[in-house]
Amino acid sequence: DVKVTQSSRYLVKRTGEKVFLECVQDMDHENMFWYRQDPGLGLRLIYFSYDVKMKEKGDIPEGYSVSREKKERFSLILESASTNQTSMYLCASSSPETGSPPQHFGDGTRLSIL
Amino acid sequence: GQSLEQPSEVTAVEGAIVQINCTYQTSGFYGLSWYQQHDGGAPTFLSYNALDGLEETGRFSSFLSRSDSYGYLLLQELQMKDSASYFCAVSLMNTGFQKLVFGTGTRLLVSP
Repeated sequence: DVKVTQSSRYLVKRTGEKVFLECVQDMDHENMFWYRQDPGLGLRLIYFSYDVKMKEKGDIPEGYSVSREKKERFSLILESASTNQTSMYLCASSSPETGSPPQHFGDGTRLSIL
Repeated sequence: GQSLEQPSEVTAVEGAIVQINCTYQTSGFYGLSWYQQHDGGAPTFLSYNALDGLEETGRFSSFLSRSDSYGYLLLQELQMKDSASYFCAVSLMNTGFQKLVFGTGTRLLVSP
């Protein structure tokens, strides 16, 4: 089975802190994704990566950055956390066939910014 | 831009059949997926349609009409464990990479 592991299920940080969310997948997938999920808004793509050291902005990249130094690991960085970044963050990975799912998701990190 | 519409909530009883609709407006459409998410859990993949027609996987079926920009998920013989949120998602190929755009989700409540 594909395993996508997010480093924390729950995280509480303070406004202005630099926050790192880590994601590791064990299926040698080229593609990795970070989403945030908010009630009534579904899943919104923040950033994705199709290879090591490669990244593309998603639909809501403002206030975030990412790092992909190794194929299995994709990190989401909140440069200076703000309260409007309180959300559920989901990491996903997939194989590279264009347009062909599935994406495999981690259990999510519920992040609260105080 | 991209937009997907699905009902916010659907209720049904055990043993019944329920259909969750999804209409979309996108450019670079490649296919339509469905994901299930239980409260507190990760979204899990259910089905994918790239071509028009019906795909059946056990109790779940998914349909796509590309000409109508419409699809649906059909759940048969409903069980209590089917209570969850269901998301449709379109695959876009205009970037050259697999990117999904998700709908806002339909919460399915199954009662005894």
